[in-house]
Amino acid sequence: GENVEQHPSTLSVQEGDSAVIKCTYSDSASNYFPWYKQELGKRPQLIIDIRSNVGEKKDQRIAVTLNKTAKHFSLHITETQPEDSAVYFCAASIGDSNYQLIWGAGTKLIIKP
Amino acid sequence: DGGITQSPKYLFRKEGQNVTLSCEQNLNHDAMYWYRQDPGQGLRLIYYSQIVNDFQKGDIAEGYSVSREKKESFPLTVTSAQKNPTAFYLCASSKQGNQPQHFGDGTRLSIL
Repeated sequence: GENVEQHPSTLSVQEGDSAVIKCTYSDSASNYFPWYKQELGKRPQLIIDIRSNVGEKKDQRIAVTLNKTAKHFSLHITETQPEDSAVYFCAASIGDSNYQLIWGAGTKLIIKP
Repeated sequence: DGGITQSPKYLFRKEGQNVTLSCEQNLNHDAMYWYRQDPGQGLRLIYYSQIVNDFQKGDIAEGYSVSREKKESFPLTVTSAQKNPTAFYLCASSKQGNQPQHFGDGTRLSIL
C-alpha cells in the first residue's frame, strides 16, 4: 500500500538554529501535503500545507519545499524558539481519494536553550 | 480549534462493552474523520464521511462503527470486536476533500 516515511524520528537543535524534517511519499498521484504540529496530549494543528502545483511555500519562519520528481517534501523552521518544541507530522493525500491522507510517524523536535 | 468538540476526554471500557465517542463541529464542514493515534506512530484513519448519510471505511475500520445523521455530528462506536482499543482517538473535519483538517482535543480510551 501507499506510505509516507518521515525522518528523523527525533531532532535536537540549538535555539536559534534551523531545523529540517523530510518526508518521502510513494503515491505519484498525491497532490496535497500538509504539516501538523502536535504538543504533548493536545490536538494536531496545521502549520503549513503545499499542493503539487507549487514547489515552495513560506509563512514567516516556516517553509515547505516539494520535489515531485523525487517524491519528497521537507519542512524548514528557521530561528528556532523553545515553543517550537513538539512532534511534527507530515501527510500526503492518496491520489485516488480527495479525503484520505497517509501520515508519517512523526518527528520529535527538541529545542535546546 | 474551538469549532470541534470531542467528549468525553477520558473513557474506560469494560470487556464486552461497546462505547461511543462523541464528535460535534460548528464549522459547517461537509467532511468529517476519525483517526486513531498510538504512541510513537502517525495517525491512522478509521472512518471518514464526505457528506451527511454517507461514510467510508479507512485503513483500520474493523471493530468500529460510525453514523452521520447530521452534518454537525459524527459519533464513533468502539465495539467489543475491537480487541486492542486502548489509544488516543481524534476527530477532524474539513470543508471538502484535500482541504486543511481541523482537529478536536481527542478522547483517550483505556481498558478496565
